[in-house]
Order: sequence, then C-alpha cells, then structure tokens
Amino acid sequence: DTAVSQTPKYLVTQMGNDKSIKCEQNLGHDTMYWYKQDSKKFLKIMFSYNNKELIINETVPNRFSPKSPDKAHLNLHINSLELGDSAVYFCASSQDKTGTVGNTIYFGEGSWLTVV
Amino acid sequence: AQTVTQSQPEMSVQEAETVTLSCTYDTSESDYYLFWYKQPPSRQMILVIRQEAYKQQNATENRFSVNFQKAAKSFSLKISDSQLGDAAMYFCAFGSSNTGKLIFGQGTTLQVKP
Repeated sequence: DTAVSQTPKYLVTQMGNDKSIKCEQNLGHDTMYWYKQDSKKFLKIMFSYNNKELIINETVPNRFSPKSPDKAHLNLHINSLELGDSAVYFCASSQDKTGTVGNTIYFGEGSWLTVV
Repeated sequence: AQTVTQSQPEMSVQEAETVTLSCTYDTSESDYYLFWYKQPPSRQMILVIRQEAYKQQNATENRFSVNFQKAAKSFSLKISDSQLGDAAMYFCAFGSSNTGKLIFGQGTTLQVKP
C-alpha cells in the first residue's frame, strides 16, 4: 500500500498547456506539501496545507495553484506551462505542521514533468 | 532564514568500508529536527534517519548513524559496512518546528565501488 501516491508519474506536454498533478495520502496526516526538484536536483518547498488550509506559500508564480479538497488530497494545477517548469514535483505529508509529533515528512514517488 | 550546506558534491567508498557525509546548517531556532534522505536514481525520497535537536544522543538506524553537534550546527551521516545499494544521492534537511517545512542541502552523490 503506497502511503503517498501521486499521478501521473510521467508527463510530457507542450508549452502553454495547462496540466494537473494529483496527490493522495492514506497515512491520516493533517499536513501535505508540494516540493519541486529542478534539473540540478535542488529541492525546494512550494506549498503546504494543513487540514485543507494553506499555510505555506513560497514565492511561486501565480500559474501554480494548489487545491486541497480534503486533508487526504492535495492537487497541483499549473497554467500556461513554460520550459522552466520542467522538474520533478514531489507530494509529501506529515502528521502535523509543527513537529510536536515528530514532523517526519513522507514523500511520494515524484511526478516527472517535461515541457517541450 | 535557515540554510543547509553539504560541502561534498560527490563521495566514493569501497564496499564494506565506512563513509561520512557532512552537513552544516544555520538557524536561530532552538527546537528543530534534522533528517537525512536518500534519493536513488528512481528519484524516490527515502528517509534514512532523523534527529531531534533536543536530544543529545545521536540517532542510529542499523548501519546508519549521525554525529550531531548542536553547538557547531553540524549533522554528519556515517554509513558503516557500505553496500552497493547505498549508492544514491543523499540530502541533509532541516525541519522547522515553527513552519513545518524542510530546508534541503544541495545533496551529496555517493558512489559505492565493488
């Protein structure tokens, strides 16, 4: 049973298109995240949600819009895709946002987005 | 702002030998967590070991152990009896108790030679 699952795993699309990546966790966690890993393998947080509420919004272009329909799901929608959006996007989850119960973050397998 | 620095872009070790990966961080927080994640070529992020800043005892997980020096803000990972399957990129990460987000280092690519 996959704890944090995201779909699709691979996505190749043209510039200007709109695409979504879906994420689901079955760990009962309250907090979910999106991280981006660029071509140099540098990992950086984009967003986090706690119980469907946005709590972290790093300096990410407005073309990226996260949506959390419930605390087990966090989707990422990207409008008007650009070449620079090519990256691996990781969904992740943790028990809570503050570390009072350990704050270990569990990652999904990543979604490889290639914009051509 | 917190920063995490891994000064070794690449390391290599002979199978069955021991290797240490370095990590330093900077923060003004007193309560935080430190992690080492392993990323094989599949790109999956696998938690290797975790250390709570309030604990003086170094964390250990089988062949993996850390040397946590809070005053020096240093958090190195020691891999004993290295195996071919240990070959991967290793990321050190700082976990803020205030925000919950992870700040990652640049990563160290570990090669294990047979």
